[in-house]
Amino acid sequence: QVQLVESGGGVVQPGRSLRLSCAASGFTFSTYGMHWVRQAPGKGLEWLAVIWYDGSNKYYADSVKGRFTISRDNSKSTLYLQLNNLRAEDTAVYFCAREKLAAAYYFDYWGQGTLVTVSS
Amino acid sequence: DIQMTQSPSSLSASVGDRVTITCQASQDINNFLNWYQQKPGKAPNLLIYDASILETGVPSRFSGSGSGTDYNFTISSLQPEDAATYYCQQYDDLPVFGPGTKVDIK
Repeated sequence: QVQLVESGGGVVQPGRSLRLSCAASGFTFSTYGMHWVRQAPGKGLEWLAVIWYDGSNKYYADSVKGRFTISRDNSKSTLYLQLNNLRAEDTAVYFCAREKLAAAYYFDYWGQGTLVTVSS
Repeated sequence: DIQMTQSPSSLSASVGDRVTITCQASQDINNFLNWYQQKPGKAPNLLIYDASILETGVPSRFSGSGSGTDYNFTISSLQPEDAATYYCQQYDDLPVFGPGTKVDIK
């Protein structure tokens, strides 16, 4: 069965960096585009970034462009999100999600999320 | 950038009621509109994609419709397990989620 398992969250000071991971299993990871979505406490969903199946294209929400970097290692079936220069407003649960069809940006499987808390 | 609005922001209805949520985009999104259900502490769950296509395994009481800028999500007969927050999401451009509609059971 398809599984996505995020890790790497925690408490970090403003201005510092963090790298989140999403370990995928149960499907051919290298053939699916992957996304990151976050949810601040008590708030709605915010899409952050997408990376194509082969890593050839990456797109970001304006709110994180230039600070966050999405990447993947298909040999390890793992998705990453590098978070730099973190701010208090980046505090959220971060989800990885699989797109159901290539370049069809809807998400049929999600991880359980990993909490990032930015606080001094 | 495409903006998404949803109405109402919350509602309370009885078991068996028909419930409709509206999602409006700031421009034509060509039916590239999806609906998700999220329960507290859980990841979202895809219910409807491309405005009206029911995801595999999703009960048939859920449905979607609409075109252009205006889309509807309907639960034909509300069940206790449908208490959740529902989000629309467009992907005519980079994905944007609506603000959500919280559905409670009376």
